[in-house]
Amino acid sequence: EIVMTQSPATLAVSPGERATLSCRASQSVSSNLAWYRQKPGQAPRLLIYGASTRATGIPARFSGSGSGTEFTLTINSLQSEDFAVYYCQQYNNWWTFGQGTKVEIK
Amino acid sequence: QLQLQESGPGLVKPSETLSLTCTVSGGSISSSNYYWGWIRQPPGKGLECIGNIYYSGTTYYNPSLKSRVTISVDTSKNQFSLKLSSVTAADTAVYYCARVSSVSSLMDVWGQGTTVTVSS
Repeated sequence: EIVMTQSPATLAVSPGERATLSCRASQSVSSNLAWYRQKPGQAPRLLIYGASTRATGIPARFSGSGSGTEFTLTINSLQSEDFAVYYCQQYNNWWTFGQGTKVEIK
Repeated sequence: QLQLQESGPGLVKPSETLSLTCTVSGGSISSSNYYWGWIRQPPGKGLECIGNIYYSGTTYYNPSLKSRVTISVDTSKNQFSLKLSSVTAADTAVYYCARVSSVSSLMDVWGQGTTVTVSS
């Protein structure tokens, strides 16, 4: 099983600032990497797929990068709705998720 | 717009079988472009893929759950279902259904989720 490791577990950021989240795979997943945002009591929402492609309706302040085993999600100018938990997911070999990064208000 | 909705009992007794259904609306479950999957999230924990099914009935199960899981599809009702046998408290979770691209394997549309508690 491919293990996905996210860091940090919690990230405190002020509104309007930038957040940078990391995700590492235990083996190469090529670019088959997605990012999801999950608000309390809601299902995960797809933000990024193919490591760097924004999903439909996702604003440009979200960007993804990386390939192989190292990936990054950057959120510029954090809005109130962005304070949530973010998961990375590989879909190269089965589907496994990271444990999540909680972005909280500083 | 495609929507998925989970339904089923919110409380299941230990050792019994958990049964959930996902109803797909705004699109056909018989599309050759997609699989249909189940994912769960225990309280305060991360996400785990349970398994997927193609409209033809082909299934793929998480090896860690394979001995207890059955996923089936009913194309006439545009629904697919999950059965998880011999449940324990560790199976308490929010259960989500999702659409999975058969080309990219991307899970792009999710249901809102349903909470299942295993307790006597």
